[in-house]
Formats: sequence, C-alpha cells, structure tokens
Amino acid sequence: DSGVTQTPKHLITATGQRVTLRCSPRSGDLSVYWYQQSLDQGLQFLIQYYNGEERAKGNILERFSAQQFPDLHSELNLSSLELGDSALYFCASGGGVRGSPLHFGNGTRLTVT
Amino acid sequence: SQQGEEDPQALSIQEGENATMNCSYKTSINNLQWYRQNSGRGLVHLILIRSNEREKHSGRLRVTLDTSKKSSSLLITASRAADTASYFCATDQTGANNLFFGTGTRLTVIP
Repeated sequence: DSGVTQTPKHLITATGQRVTLRCSPRSGDLSVYWYQQSLDQGLQFLIQYYNGEERAKGNILERFSAQQFPDLHSELNLSSLELGDSALYFCASGGGVRGSPLHFGNGTRLTVT
Repeated sequence: SQQGEEDPQALSIQEGENATMNCSYKTSINNLQWYRQNSGRGLVHLILIRSNEREKHSGRLRVTLDTSKKSSSLLITASRAADTASYFCATDQTGANNLFFGTGTRLTVIP
C-alpha cells in the first residue's frame, strides 16, 4: 500500500461532460503529481503541486485544471471531455525533494463514451 | 520528447531465467529510477541510481547506468511468475521538476 488514495476508481461519462478526480497524498508528502496513461502508452506528466502551489506543468490541456488544497489533497478537473481523454489518471506524491521516488495511487480509470 | 524509451517493448521468458530491459534517454540527468506496474495498478518504485553511480543492486535487481551513452539497464535475476509486470524507467532531468517516464517494457514470466 503506497498510502496514496485516489477516488473514484472508475468513472464512465459522456463526451462534453466534466469530472473531478480526487487524490490524497501519502502522509507527510507535500508534493502531488498527476499523470495520464493511455492504453499502451507511457505516463504523460500533467502537473505538479507542492504545498498548495503549482510547481511544474507538463502536457496538460487547457480543458484540464488542478489544484491542491490546504489539507494537501488534490483534485484534477477534466471538462468538455472527448473520447480521447479516456485513460488511467494517476496521482503520485513525494516529499518535495527534487528527484526523490514517487508513491503512486492505483489510479482512476476514466471512460468517455 | 523528454521521455525515455525502453527496449524491448515486450519480453517473454521462462521462470528461473534472467530478464534484461534497457532504457535510453536524451538529456542530462540527476538520477534514473525504475518502477514496476502490475496490470491496471499504480507504479511502484524499485530502485534509484544517481548520475555518478555506474551500478546498483537490490535483491534480485541489478541496475547499470552509462551516462556517456545515456542508457540504463535493469536485470532481474532468477525470474519468478510474480515478476510479470510492466517496467518503466524514469529520469530526473537537469532543470526539470518532475520525473519523465519511458514507454515501458512488458515482462511476462512463464511458470
């Protein structure tokens, strides 16, 4: 058990809709990272937060947004969903030291129909 | 792309054999990490090797790093069926704030 909790585990929704994915980091970790994993693809980095502040941005679409709250949990909001957004979305947490190992949740599997 | 690339994409071996997978990357790094992912689950960190290290061991895992060739290899000795998973390398690149993951090697160990 990594200590990182992601909800929901599965999400099925229609094109054009908006969803929110939630992540609670491992106790003591200040950083939260979001990654997208499409079928047979590697992990695409979306965004990182550290102690409530955005620290790094990757290939995150404008339709996607995220935030980290004072209690350090994070939410990833996906709007105007398209079929191509169907993927596994992972949250990972770390202590905030650059290059330190990450602890991953088990992901949210999003299916857009 | 800043991602690494694993080779081979898929590997199938018999239980007891050794499995070797390779990772190549394009930029200078501070460290390189290997992760394992069981089907549909989150990634689990296996081992980290720093840019000034050439080899590291952890149990049945052996990792090498050649920064001049920008490549790393992961060797799993005496493989077990439970080692069946996808394996990813991830690089902590100089000047970046996040890890960049490769595309993974899918390992199947046949009992």
